[in-house]
This record gives sequence, structure tokens and C-alpha cells, in this order.
Amino acid sequence: GENVEQHPSTLSVQEGDSAVIKCTYSDSASNYFPWYKQELGKGPQLIIDIRSNVGEKKDQRIAVTLNKTAKHFSLHITETQPEDSAVYFCAASEGSGYSTLTFGKGTMLLVSP
Amino acid sequence: EAGVAQSPRYKIIEKRQSVAFWCNPISGHATLYWYQQILGQGPKLLIQFQNNGVVDDSQLPKDRFSAERLKGVDSTLKIQPAKLEDSAVYLCASSLPITYNEQFFGPGTRLTVL
Repeated sequence: GENVEQHPSTLSVQEGDSAVIKCTYSDSASNYFPWYKQELGKGPQLIIDIRSNVGEKKDQRIAVTLNKTAKHFSLHITETQPEDSAVYFCAASEGSGYSTLTFGKGTMLLVSP
Repeated sequence: EAGVAQSPRYKIIEKRQSVAFWCNPISGHATLYWYQQILGQGPKLLIQFQNNGVVDDSQLPKDRFSAERLKGVDSTLKIQPAKLEDSAVYLCASSLPITYNEQFFGPGTRLTVL
């Protein structure tokens, strides 16, 4: 089955700095790579996703890159703000309507004012 | 649009007792998932339903866990008997059965087994 590794496990930055979280996956059949943000006491919420036919995708301060050859993808957050503090999870799946998501172990991002 | 509802939000039980969690998905979402999230880890899929049929239950510990989705809407996850290692947050999610489907998560139920 799919295995997703995520690094780092914790990341502390100053407000305004950039943050990068990296993930690798094992199953070459994976085609869909979402990123979820989980705040304390809440369920994960999708913040951005990328599909295998795209190398990069941006949404305001958030961007995701994908290297299918190397089987890794990354989340980039620019101009970080204290409200970005949360746990971030990467995930991978085949992308079909019935395929399941395999999650990484998460990265706790702390943004200090 | 109402989100995924779960209850209870918190539950504390003794080992060997039984417990049940309830989930109401977003209206119109045919696919429903139950995940187990142990502290410090990512969600792990326990079972996936398509309407009221099971799509994937390969990681469900069937000797103690059971789940049902009657009428293809609400779902219940049960643990009987509970073990200490079942302490976790149990997340329910739902989605449309389409390609690249976004999963919408509920707030979860935090279970503590003493």
C-alpha cells in the first residue's frame, strides 16, 4: 500500500517568514495530493491540492509543488501569520472517486509574532 | 451549508466497555469515511462507505470494531470491548463520489480509555 513520509514534524518561524513542509510517497499510482490544516479541537480542512498533471499550484500565500519522478511534493507558505499556526498534513491517493487517502504524520507549524 | 456533524465530542470509558459514535454527513455526500487519529499522527482510514455499502474496511479491527450506515445517510461506529490503545480521536468525513474528491471532516470524537 501507499506510504507517505512528512518532514519536519515541527517547524517554528517568525511572522513574515516562509515555511516549507515536504512529503514523499511510495506508490507510483498516486495522482492526487491534498494538503489539510488541522486546528486544535477541529477536524482537518483542505487548504490546497495538486494533481499529477500539474507541477505547481498557487493560492494567494500558499503554493504546492509536485515532482512525480522523485515522488515528492511540498507545501510553501509565504508571509506567515500567527493564524497559520496549526498542524498540516499531506496526503496521497489514486484520485478516483473511491480511492482512499493516506496521510503523513503531520507538521506542527508555530508562527511567532 | 451545514458541515459534517459528530457526537459525542468527548467520551471517557473503562477498558472492556463498549462505546458508539455517530456521524451525519453533508447532505448529498454518498461517500462516508471513519478515521482513527492517534495523538501525534495523521488520520488512518478505518472504513469507507459508498451509500450504505462498504468500499474498504481493510484496516478495521473487525474483532472489536463495527460500523454501519443504514439508509445511506447517518453512520455509527462501535467499539466493543475497548482497549487502552483505542484512545484516539475518531473522525468522520464525507465526500461526493467523484474524481479528486475533497473530503470534508467533522470535528471528531475524542475517546479516552482508562
